[in-house]
Amino acid sequence: EPEVTQTPSHQVTQMGQEVILRCVPISNHLYFYWYRQILGQKVEFLVSFYNNEISEKSEIFDDQFSVERPDGSNFTLKIRSTKLEDSAMYFCASSRTEPRRIQYFGAGTRLSVL
Amino acid sequence: AQSVTQPDIHITVSEGASLELRCNYSYGATPYLFWYVQSPGQGLQLLLKYFSGDTLVQGIKGFEAEFKRSQSSFNLRKPSVHWSDAAEYFCAVGGGGATNKLIFGTGTLLAVQP
Repeated sequence: EPEVTQTPSHQVTQMGQEVILRCVPISNHLYFYWYRQILGQKVEFLVSFYNNEISEKSEIFDDQFSVERPDGSNFTLKIRSTKLEDSAMYFCASSRTEPRRIQYFGAGTRLSVL
Repeated sequence: AQSVTQPDIHITVSEGASLELRCNYSYGATPYLFWYVQSPGQGLQLLLKYFSGDTLVQGIKGFEAEFKRSQSSFNLRKPSVHWSDAAEYFCAVGGGGATNKLIFGTGTLLAVQP
């Protein structure tokens, strides 16, 4: 069964460093998403991406964040200068065009900012 | 404002007992409703979804959920719990449209006693 793959599973970084979280969505999916979950809190929407552009972003998704689909298979989330409060589990998801409301999630990347 | 409430943070049931996890939502339009499950080290797996039609929906692993518009609820049920059902369960609402973002509840952690 096709699945969304995220790497790495755990990333440790120093405050102020740049990190790139990687995702390989399901191959015939066209919509891509990033969510995050701070420990003990809700899963929160960050950004959605379709047709090589952002379709919606949340207030959390400020100028420190960017997304990219550098090739036909990868979808990345970059945090330019990490802060302590960026420590969280980051989930990638993807969905088809129709029924596009069904999102399939990866196992997540745990980001620890020290 | 759009929101999802899962009143029970932690529930413990005995193996073989029935289960009901509560979910209430606040959403301005017709909601699309989902239940996801997360086992340790795993991603968010879709259990079931409601888009329209029959308000009682069946999902994987023997789970079902009932949409009650009058109560703004979408409770998850299982008649007989298995030890492998121990996990965290998330209710989510999404409205489709241009962006399709999901709004999650805080999750309910299910423990199963032998």
